Amino acid sequence: GIQVEQSPPDLILQEGANSTLRCNFSDSVNNLQWFHQNPWGQLINLFYIPSGTKQNGRLSATTVATERYSLLYISSSQTTDSGVYFCAVEPGSSNTGKLIFGQGTTLQVKP
Amino acid sequence: NAGVTQTPKFRVLKTGQSMTLLCAQDMNHEYMYWYRQDPGMGLRLIHYSVGEGTTAKGEVPDGYNVSRLKKQNFLLGLESAAPSQTSVYFCASSYPLDGFTDTQYFGPGTRLTVL
Repeated sequence: GIQVEQSPPDLILQEGANSTLRCNFSDSVNNLQWFHQNPWGQLINLFYIPSGTKQNGRLSATTVATERYSLLYISSSQTTDSGVYFCAVEPGSSNTGKLIFGQGTTLQVKP
Repeated sequence: NAGVTQTPKFRVLKTGQSMTLLCAQDMNHEYMYWYRQDPGMGLRLIHYSVGEGTTAKGEVPDGYNVSRLKKQNFLLGLESAAPSQTSVYFCASSYPLDGFTDTQYFGPGTRLTVL
């Protein structure tokens, strides 16, 4: 089946710094989403981005489907950005929305 | 508009006991999913449903059963709980859009401990 790899596994930043999180996937995808899991365990949708670029405030994401990767950019990080960031993909062979999750990047933003 | 809700939020079971987790969504979504998350890992799909009355197996279906009798509800059952089923369970829903599936929205999770 499709493999989803995220890097780095852990990241520590000072407040105000910028960061880039990467998601590589091994096959074609219909759907790619980025999630933030906050320290209370809640999963929050950040982007639905099977291709192209989107921006939402300090966050932006780019997916290059032909090269099988996606990037999540966090600018001017804040302590509230701490948590785990997941990339999840729906394989191109599926049409039922089944998501395969990566292992996540754990981000800690220090004040 | 409550989105996706899950009941209960926490539960402790003894080995061999049974229970049912309830997921409800008020967004008129066709597709619903049950995932589990183990410590330090991403989510893994247990079962899913593409419409009322339909269910299908995901990556890790063993030991679980599901039912989708009403479009807005998706139930996950554990017939005989085992310690390996200690996990956080998430429900999600989405809507098919032009032959593709749209954003998945997740519930708050149910933390289950099996002793």
